[in-house]
Amino acid sequence: DAGVIQSPRHEVTEMGQEVTLRCKPISGHDYLFWYRQTMMQGLELLVYFNNKAVMDDSGMPKDRFSAKMPNASFSTLKIQPSEPRDSAVYFCASSPIGGSPLHFGNGTRLTVT
Amino acid sequence: AQKVTQAQTEISVVEKEDVTLDCVYETRDTTYYLFWYKQPPSGELVFLIRRNSFDEQNEISGRYSWNFQKSTSSFNFTITASQVVDSAVYFCALSALSGSARQLTFGSGTQLTVLP
Repeated sequence: DAGVIQSPRHEVTEMGQEVTLRCKPISGHDYLFWYRQTMMQGLELLVYFNNKAVMDDSGMPKDRFSAKMPNASFSTLKIQPSEPRDSAVYFCASSPIGGSPLHFGNGTRLTVT
Repeated sequence: AQKVTQAQTEISVVEKEDVTLDCVYETRDTTYYLFWYKQPPSGELVFLIRRNSFDEQNEISGRYSWNFQKSTSSFNFTITASQVVDSAVYFCALSALSGSARQLTFGSGTQLTVLP
């Protein structure tokens, strides 16, 4: 079992640039979540999908963030344009059904200078 | 709305001491799950336990034990005979199953440091 795979592990970019984070969930998991972790806000849910459909994106700043899940094995989180306040660790997680434990990827550490 | 409160920001103990991490939650749902996750210094989030709202039985797994009390909306985590490898941030989380609220709401975490 490969686990949830995120790429890249680290990303350093300049303010105003576009950033794309990628996630491959565990095969067979119908739920996919994107969380952001910062010192100030802790772990915040940005968006989650069920069977590739967005179920809740109320935590995502929609003017600059967009999340897609074009197929069951791939999701992206895009930030355009990036800002220094977007610096955080972004976690992707998946689960087979609602209420079951989330399996987290190793995260992407994003630094926007 | 869901809320999880971990009032202890940081705890420091000496190896072999017992330590309890507190978690208090709020939800209007009658059906929900509670979780604990561990985040070691390497940064990954590791699932430890899940409890559903209808099962108040306490659970023990090795040196770890969990005390779930619906009457006080608490789900506390005790590590017995702590070890240096237990040093990590521990998160309590809640998932209610009503409507689309199936995401995990996390507490702010408790940083546990176990000193040798």
